[in-house]
Amino acid sequence: AIRMTQSPSSLSASTGDRVTITCRASQGISSYLAWYQQKPGKAPKLLIYTASTLQSGVPSRFSGSGSGTDFTLTISCLQSEDFATYYCQQYYSYPWTFGQGTKVEIK
Amino acid sequence: EVQLVESGGGLVQPGRSLRLSCAASRFTFDDYAMHWVRQAPGKGLEWVSGISWNSGSIGYADSVKGRFTISRDNAKNSLYLQMNSLRAEDTALYYCAKANMVRGANKAFDYWGQGTLVTVSS
Repeated sequence: AIRMTQSPSSLSASTGDRVTITCRASQGISSYLAWYQQKPGKAPKLLIYTASTLQSGVPSRFSGSGSGTDFTLTISCLQSEDFATYYCQQYYSYPWTFGQGTKVEIK
Repeated sequence: EVQLVESGGGLVQPGRSLRLSCAASRFTFDDYAMHWVRQAPGKGLEWVSGISWNSGSIGYADSVKGRFTISRDNAKNSLYLQMNSLRAEDTALYYCAKANMVRGANKAFDYWGQGTLVTVSS
């Protein structure tokens, strides 16, 4: 199975900060990479798919980049509603796999 | 708006079986692949299984292969997960999720249900 490794596992940031989360795949996955946001007690929400395509309705402060094995999610100007856990996911080949998550907390 | 409603969870003893259902509405169900994703209490997301729009392509996580079976009934707009030989480590909230584009194989998940809780314990 393809292993997805996110870093960092958690981070503390302030409103207005620029935040970057990285995700590395154990083998090439082309651009079959999605990013999700999950808040406590809620289902995950799709933010980005095909590595860099913004899901409809998601604010433009979220962006994604990368291909092959290395990917990033960037939040350009952190807002209060962005404090959550973020997951990357590869859907290149079965079994599909998620990263372990990155918790973004308030500094 | 798209609606996905899971059911069938509950408390079950190790080694027993359970069948989860996901009722889909407000979209053309037979145009989309569907998936099950689980989340153990306090843990991250784990993809469990996926099925293509026509049931022609199916995949499973290594942790459930041989024990779980995914299926769908397009006439009933429903997705299922038959879970056999349940273990304590299968305890989790089980979500069904919809592919974000029609047909095709490799798609992200744009809609998720609220989940159904499965607890495996004696």
